[in-house]
Amino acid sequence: AQSVTQPDIHITVSEGASLELRCNYSYGATPYLFWYVQSPGQGLQLLLKYFSGDTLVQGIKGFEAEFKRSQSSFNLRKPSVHWSDAAEYFCARRWNQGGKLIFGQGTELSVKP
Amino acid sequence: GAVVSQHPSRVICKSGTSVKIECRSLDFQATTMFWYRQFPKQSLMLMATSNEGSKATYEQGVEKDKFLINHASLTLSTLTVTSAHPEDSSFYICSARDEGGAYNEQFFGPGTRLTVL
Repeated sequence: AQSVTQPDIHITVSEGASLELRCNYSYGATPYLFWYVQSPGQGLQLLLKYFSGDTLVQGIKGFEAEFKRSQSSFNLRKPSVHWSDAAEYFCARRWNQGGKLIFGQGTELSVKP
Repeated sequence: GAVVSQHPSRVICKSGTSVKIECRSLDFQATTMFWYRQFPKQSLMLMATSNEGSKATYEQGVEKDKFLINHASLTLSTLTVTSAHPEDSSFYICSARDEGGAYNEQFFGPGTRLTVL
């Protein structure tokens, strides 16, 4: 079955430091990959997506992600983290049939002053 | 941009009562909507796919008689939690697929917090 794995449950970084959140997906053709952010008690906001083309994808709020087929990864990065980035981050893959999204377990990001 | 709303944002009910949650696509039509459930500190779990004008498709393990889904128009899907019990307390999130867009993207509602006493 197609799945998405986020190995890190919780990450803490200092404000101003760089960030990388890991995401791996199981093998499958034409992966449609997404990163969402969720603040406590809120819905999901799309940060960026990859469907095809350039493997380095730019998103909102200064985030980017790189699709690496050889590693089955789609890691999220930000060069300098702000305190407002503290939230839960979800990687997701769209199911090939029917458009269902399969979510990773999520990574909780804490930002130290 | 595409906007999806949910109502109510928060509901508290007594055990044994039924609760209806609405999901609306405000500026686009959606023949397909999705309902997710999220427990604290956990990921989103797809409950069902809601199809306008036809029966919903439920994921394995989700009781269709417990979680009634109606998708009567291209902008509205409702989830009714029947005979709610405390274990049904959760955060329910819907999404709507914008089939008018280039990639059939899903847009998420803000979620509904259900607490069953």
